[in-house]
Amino acid sequence: SAVISQKPSRDICQRGTSLTIQCQVDSQVTMMFWYRQQPGQSLTLIATANQGSEATYESGFVIDKFPISRPNLTFSTLTVSNMSPEDSSIYLCSTHQGGGGDTQYFGPGTRLTVL
Amino acid sequence: GDSVTQMEGPVTLSEEAFLTINCTYTATGYPSLFWYVQYPGEGLQLLLKATKADDKGSNKGFEATYRKETTSFHLEKGSVQVSDSAVYFCALNLNFGNEKLTFGTGTRLTIIP
Repeated sequence: SAVISQKPSRDICQRGTSLTIQCQVDSQVTMMFWYRQQPGQSLTLIATANQGSEATYESGFVIDKFPISRPNLTFSTLTVSNMSPEDSSIYLCSTHQGGGGDTQYFGPGTRLTVL
Repeated sequence: GDSVTQMEGPVTLSEEAFLTINCTYTATGYPSLFWYVQYPGEGLQLLLKATKADDKGSNKGFEATYRKETTSFHLEKGSVQVSDSAVYFCALNLNFGNEKLTFGTGTRLTIIP
C-alpha cells in the first residue's frame, strides 16, 4: 500500500491570495491525482499528474487556476491561485499502484477556507 | 458520460439494523467498482472493490456484488454498529490506462445506539 501525506492539513486564506498544497508518497508512483471535495459534495477530479509531463486537467479546471507540479515520482504540488470563497474545499491527492482496477490511496486532505 | 448514482442520504439506522446503500452506474466500458468510506475527521479509505461481473467485494462485514445486468453495486451489511457511522462513496474506474475514479455523491450514515 501507499502512504500519502499532505501539507498543510488546513489553512484559512484571504481572497485573492494563492496556496500551494504538497503531497508526498512513501513510494515511487507513476500517476498522482488531485481531487476537490466541496462542502457536502462528492469528490471531483481536478487533474492527473504524471512525472515528466504536463498535468491533464478535467473539464471545468484550468492550469492558470490550479497549476500542478510533479518534479519526481514521489511528490506533487497543487496551487490554488487567486482564491475566492468558492474555492473553500477539501483538496485531496491520491495515487494507485499497479494496473487497472487496483486500489487508489488517498491523502488525508487539505481543508481550505477562503475568507 | 460515465457516472455513478448513489442513494441519497442521510440515512439513520439503529444499531444491529440491516443496511443497504444503493449504487448504480453508467459507463462506456467495463469498469471496476469500489466503495470508499470517510469516517468523521478522517481521510478517504477503500472499503471494498470488485473488478468483474458477479465478483463480491467484502470487508468489515460489508458486502457488495458487481451486477452487470442491472449495472449496480449495492452496499450491504447485516448488522450495523455505531462505529459504522461515516460517509460512503460508490466509485468506478474504467481501466483505460488512466486510473481516475468517478464518484457518486456520497451517503451519510448515522447509527444510533
